[in-house]
Amino acid sequence: GAVVSQHPSRVICKSGTSVKIECRSLDFQATTMFWYRQFPKQSLMLMATSNEGSKATYEQGVEKDKFLINHASLTLSTLTVTSAHPEDSSFYICSASSSGTSSYEQYFGPGTRLTVT
Amino acid sequence: KNQVEQSPQSLIILEGKNCTLQCNYTVSPFSNLRWYKQDTGRGPVSLTIMTFSENTKSNGRYTATLDADTKQSSLHITASQLSDSASYICVVRDQTGANNLFFGTGTRLTVIP
Repeated sequence: GAVVSQHPSRVICKSGTSVKIECRSLDFQATTMFWYRQFPKQSLMLMATSNEGSKATYEQGVEKDKFLINHASLTLSTLTVTSAHPEDSSFYICSASSSGTSSYEQYFGPGTRLTVT
Repeated sequence: KNQVEQSPQSLIILEGKNCTLQCNYTVSPFSNLRWYKQDTGRGPVSLTIMTFSENTKSNGRYTATLDADTKQSSLHITASQLSDSASYICVVRDQTGANNLFFGTGTRLTVIP
């Protein structure tokens, strides 16, 4: 099956700093990548959808200037949390899909635990 | 409003026992329904996918059912193992776009020896 990786798996940063999370599709070309946030004991909440080579589409309530998304290639998308605050501490999960599959299945990455101190 | 509701919220069972998790949805028009297993601190992993015409599908000890008329699905786990302890998430896709997924809040299953 398709494999999606994320790096880093865990990151701790200080308030006010920025942190970048990478999402890679290892064995397929991802025309679309998604970024989710998951708080403890809650389900995944879609933050934004990005198509390769174009600007990301953000969900309502997600600040695009705070959560910068770049999908520069068909195998890599990055999420940069700028000027991080403790309330940004969460589990961030990316997923990737390819228009080549009929079901548009999303393959999820293993997630990145962000802790802002 | 498109919603996906799961029950129970949490469940504790003895190792070796069976259990059934429920998912009710109002998503329309319906495309497919997936059950995911999410281990703590990990991303979701797909267990089964059900389309409109499918009533039941098995994947090892996991058996999913779908009643598209009543908009209900269940995930049955047989002969539970300690490694089954995880959150199980029901996700429904609609037909309006490739990225319209609706997530349930999950059932937290704990299998104890």
